[in-house]
Parts: sequence; C-alpha cells; structure tokens
Amino acid sequence: DSGVTQTPKHLITATGQRVTLRCSPRSGDLSVYWYQQSLDQGLQFLIQYYNGEERAKGNILERFSAQQFPDLHSELNLSSLELGDSALYFCASSVGREGTGELFFGEGSRLTVL
Amino acid sequence: EDQVTQSPEALRLQEGESSSLNCSYTVSGLRGLFWYRQDPGKGPEFLFTLYSAGEEKEKERLKATLTKKESFLHITAPKPEDSATYLCAVFSGGYNKLIFGAGTRLAVHP
Repeated sequence: DSGVTQTPKHLITATGQRVTLRCSPRSGDLSVYWYQQSLDQGLQFLIQYYNGEERAKGNILERFSAQQFPDLHSELNLSSLELGDSALYFCASSVGREGTGELFFGEGSRLTVL
Repeated sequence: EDQVTQSPEALRLQEGESSSLNCSYTVSGLRGLFWYRQDPGKGPEFLFTLYSAGEEKEKERLKATLTKKESFLHITAPKPEDSATYLCAVFSGGYNKLIFGAGTRLAVHP
C-alpha cells in the first residue's frame, strides 16, 4: 500500500460528459502528480501541483484541468470526454517541490468512455 | 526530444532462467534514471535510482546498472512472483516531469 488513495477505481461514462477524479496523497507529501496510462501511449505526465500551486505541466489537454486543495488532496477534471480519453489515470505523490524520481503511485482510476 | 525506449516489449522466462531488460535513453542532461515495477491493475512501484554511469543497485534478484546511454535491469534466477511490467524513467526538462518508457512485460513460468 503506497498510502496514495484514488477514487473512484472505475468509472464508465459517455462521450461529451464530464468527470472528476480524486486523489489523496501520502501523509506529509506536498506534491501531487497526475499521469495518464493508455495502451498506445504508455504512462504520460499530465501535471504536478506543489502545496496548492501548479508546478509543472505536461501534454495535458485543454479539456482537462486539475487543482490541489488546502488539505492537499487533488482533483483532475476531464470534460467533453472523447473515446480516446479512456485510460487509467494515476495520481502520485512525493514530499518536495522538486522530484527525486521516487514517486508513490495510487492504484489508479480506470475511465471508460462509451 | 527526450525519450526512453525499452526492450524487449515482452519477455517470457522459465523460473531460474536469468536475463536482462534494456532501457535506452536520450535526454539533455541526465538527472537520474529510475526503475519501477508495475503489477496488473496497480500503480507503478519504485525500485531503483541510478545517477551516474557505472553505478549499480541491487534488490533481491534484481540488479540495475547504468551506462552513458542505457540502463539494464538484470534478473537473476527469477521466480514467478517477479512477473510484472518493468518501467524505466528519466527526468525531462527539470526535476518535475518524469518520462517513462513503454515497459517490458515479464512473465516467469514455473
């Protein structure tokens, strides 16, 4: 158990809809990272937050947004969903603002868009 | 463009049959190379960090090594519980964005 909690574990929705994925980092970790894993793209970095502020951004679509709240949990919002958004979405956490390369991953949220 | 390439895509071994997984990287300024293990339906789990060419790290039946262009994950006398996908990663453009290879799916059969 990594200590990172993600909900929901599974989500099935339709194209055009909007969903919110939630992540609680390990106790004491201030950084939260979001990754997308699909069969054809592998594990792709989306965005990092550190103590409530956006710290780094990857190839995150404009339809996607994230935030980190004062209690350090984070939410990833996916809107105007397309079939290609079906993937596993992982949250990871670490202590510092700059990564050490050692991330603690949650078990992921599997999104299926029909 | 920074990138990580892993080979083979999949590897099937008999229990006790040692082998190596390869991770080659192209990055401007290596800030560490990281190995992770991912079990089906789970998130990746950190294994090793390597920082400089010649460095080696060991954990049970796994040994990771690093050269200037690639890293190897050697698996000695593997057991079925070593079956997993092994991912390697490097930092790209700073210390925040980890980019991962596509992974090697390892299956160890009794």
